[in-house]
Amino acid sequence: AQSVTQLGSHVSVSEGALVLLRCNYSSSVPPYLFWYVQYPNQGLQLLLKYTTGATLVKGINGFEAEFKKSETSFHLTKPSAHMSDAAEYFCAVMPNTGTASKLTFGTGTRLQVTL
Amino acid sequence: DAGITQSPRHKVTETGTPVTLRCHQTENHRYMYWYRQDPGHGLRLIHYSYGVKDTDKGEVSDGYSVSRSKTEDFLLTLESATSSQTSVYFCAISAGSGSSTGELFFGEGSRLTVL
Repeated sequence: AQSVTQLGSHVSVSEGALVLLRCNYSSSVPPYLFWYVQYPNQGLQLLLKYTTGATLVKGINGFEAEFKKSETSFHLTKPSAHMSDAAEYFCAVMPNTGTASKLTFGTGTRLQVTL
Repeated sequence: DAGITQSPRHKVTETGTPVTLRCHQTENHRYMYWYRQDPGHGLRLIHYSYGVKDTDKGEVSDGYSVSRSKTEDFLLTLESATSSQTSVYFCAISAGSGSSTGELFFGEGSRLTVL
């Protein structure tokens, strides 16, 4: 079984400030981890993913995340927020076995970017 | 953008009526999924399909059935809609192999209101 916990349902940052969205996971087997973004009235799209190898993964739009096994965390960061980053962000986990992408999603964090 | 079309995009119905949502893909992907999105719950998997006529349950399958008679179409049916099934429903697809494992492509969602 696997689950993810996203700390903070709403995060507000100023434009140009650091973005940090927190995700902790629980998994009985080595996990694959993901961050997805959802813009208003749209479906989700993949930001980045960790499967194996390098624990620091880079995604689209300047986002990156680091897999820390000892802390069971996969926090999402971006050095400088832009107004266009305002959206809802979902962390997700799946076991690293099988081929069906049966992801378990967190409850989401809504990012607000202010001037 | 991945070729995924959901229909209808919006529907209002009454308790006890049957409802069918359709997902159509043009990517020839093997796997198709139905998720529901609710505030405070994130996205939860209802059912998924791993091939024509091959389907399996997700974590919130009660009250829902699915069918896949062609690779490109995946139908979600609510036999007798209830108010608790008011939600936004997302179809997703994945190739399910190699480096694409875990990457879901989402449709734009179908908003269902059950009165």
